[in-house]
Amino acid sequence: QKEVEQNSGPLSVPEGAIASLNCTYSDRVSQSFFWYRQYSGKSPELIMSIYSNGDKEDGRFTAQLNKASQYVSLLIRDSQPSDSATYLCAVGNYGQNFVFGPGTRLSVLP
Amino acid sequence: GAVVSQHPSRVICKSGTSVKIECRSLDFQATTMFWYRQFPKQSLMLMATSNEGSKATYEQGVEKDKFLINHASLTLSTLTVTSAHPEDSSFYICSARDPDYNEQFFGPGTRLTVL
Repeated sequence: QKEVEQNSGPLSVPEGAIASLNCTYSDRVSQSFFWYRQYSGKSPELIMSIYSNGDKEDGRFTAQLNKASQYVSLLIRDSQPSDSATYLCAVGNYGQNFVFGPGTRLSVLP
Repeated sequence: GAVVSQHPSRVICKSGTSVKIECRSLDFQATTMFWYRQFPKQSLMLMATSNEGSKATYEQGVEKDKFLINHASLTLSTLTVTSAHPEDSSFYICSARDPDYNEQFFGPGTRLTVL
């Protein structure tokens, strides 16, 4: 069974710090990796996708992928209280369903 | 990102009634849509995968006769909760996969309360 694991948290960081969110997956042939943000009471919102090993940066967000270690992470620089949410990692292959992790709850303290 | 709409956003109904939820992909054609359910402070739970023009694939433990899914076009999937009961009260969220980018976008969700 394909699995995606994340620490449930909560992960607490002070405002302005770097938040580091981690995700591991079991299916070695996975090709597509995504990070979603879900605010309480809202649906998930896609914030990053990454397909190749290495780093991908988008504003304050950086996704990092290491397929050999089956590990994907999300760094949030200059964390803001508005970044407080649950972050979901999703892993998939073309034409197949994504597998979502349970999410990590991030709390950015002012 | 792509836009997925969902209607209604909130519904309150009496026990025993049926409720239909619509999910539309507004700017792309989605051959595959997904229906999730989420209880408070819990993870997303995939209920079923909806493929245009064919029967939905339900996850283990999800009653297909209770949760009817229809994906009649490339932009519309519907979920009907039949004979709803209070334990069906939950946050129902649809998503659609953009085949060009293999990205999955979520609708805003429908909060169902069954009295």
